[in-house]
Amino acid sequence: ETGVTQSPTHLIKTRGQQVTLRCSSQSGHNTVSWYQQALGQGPQFIFQYYREEENGRGNFPPRFSGLQFPNYSSELNVNALELDDSALYLCASSLMGLGTGELFFGEGSRLTVL
Amino acid sequence: GIQVEQSPPDLILQEGANSTLRCNFSDSVNNLQWFHQNPWGQLINLFYIPSGTKQNGRLSATTVATERYSLLYISSSQTTDSGVYFCAVEADSNYQLIWGAGTKLIIKP
Repeated sequence: ETGVTQSPTHLIKTRGQQVTLRCSSQSGHNTVSWYQQALGQGPQFIFQYYREEENGRGNFPPRFSGLQFPNYSSELNVNALELDDSALYLCASSLMGLGTGELFFGEGSRLTVL
Repeated sequence: GIQVEQSPPDLILQEGANSTLRCNFSDSVNNLQWFHQNPWGQLINLFYIPSGTKQNGRLSATTVATERYSLLYISSSQTTDSGVYFCAVEADSNYQLIWGAGTKLIIKP
């Protein structure tokens, strides 16, 4: 039990639709990172939020966007869904210090795009 | 960018056996973490270990930063240890972890 919660746990969308995934960070943590994990691969960094601003971004197009709220919870939004967006989306919380810090992950949201 | 290589890619052991998983990285790092991903997808933080040695029960890890590798030791394996073990590193304070491809561990009863 990491204290990081994500919702929904599973969802199915069709190509072209939009999706919002939610994450509540561990108590005391002020930073949220999002990762995409395709089947059989390691996670890929999407972006990180600190003080309600995007603090770093991986190689993902602008249709992947996010928000962080004053209580440090976060949302990941994906517009114009494509089939390749089918993956496990993982949220991690940490305490910002030097670099990323120690990450604690939620159970993930498994997205299927048909 | 930094490269992270894990070995072996797959490992099948009997319950009670010991194992050593290796992570090599191509450049200096600020951060190295070991994770266990269970069959349901949950990533569990095992160790935050940019250098030195740590132990937690049957698991221990050592990172030799000057030689750019880290080792994860699992002793007296249990079936619940099955899953994928990932090594992830951060370089240059760019706020992202770079992940290895993982070691898939199967512990047979």
